Amino acid sequence: GENVEQHPSTLSVQEGDSAVIKCTYSDSASNYFPWYKQELGKRPQLIIDIRSNVGEKKDQRIAVTLNKTAKHFSLHITETQPEDSAVYFCAANGRNTDKLIFGTGTRLQVFP
Amino acid sequence: GAGVSQSPSNKVTEKGKDVELRCDPISGHTALYWYRQSLGQGLEFLIYFQGNSAPDKSGLPSDRFSAERTGGSVSTLTIQRTQQEDSAVYLCASRDYDEQFFGPGTRLTVL
Repeated sequence: GENVEQHPSTLSVQEGDSAVIKCTYSDSASNYFPWYKQELGKRPQLIIDIRSNVGEKKDQRIAVTLNKTAKHFSLHITETQPEDSAVYFCAANGRNTDKLIFGTGTRLQVFP
Repeated sequence: GAGVSQSPSNKVTEKGKDVELRCDPISGHTALYWYRQSLGQGLEFLIYFQGNSAPDKSGLPSDRFSAERTGGSVSTLTIQRTQQEDSAVYLCASRDYDEQFFGPGTRLTVL
């Protein structure tokens, strides 16, 4: 069945360093890949997304890259700040559907 | 404008009881999703409604779980004969174009 794998499960970085989270998906028909940030006790919120017709998208300190051939995509956060600390979820849509399959999440801790 | 709302925010129930969880999506959003998030875990898809189409129920873990969406707006997730393993946060989301907007969730505790 459809599957999204996410690594690492936890990531600790020093403030100002970069953080990279990687995901792989199983369904070659997936064409929409969002990333959600969930702060402790709060709801997930979309931070960036990418469609399969582009290879990279950037929004200030956040960027996402997509490799369709290898079926993987990554989230890059530069110049990390303590407020970036949260759980990050990647997702991919299923075949011919708007249903999202989520990865298992990465807990990012940014130490000042 | 108003976001997705859910009620109750917390629900404590005894094993074997039935519970109903409510979701009010953003007005005009035709797609509505239910997810379950156990403590420290990811988002487990439960069910998806899109307009007047038959819902995608492929994520419901057992026949004790059901959901309906009345008038294309409010949705209710019902769990019958609750079990302790049903304890989790139940999140609802509605979608406009690509982005899914999540509600604050209902934290269900089954004693």
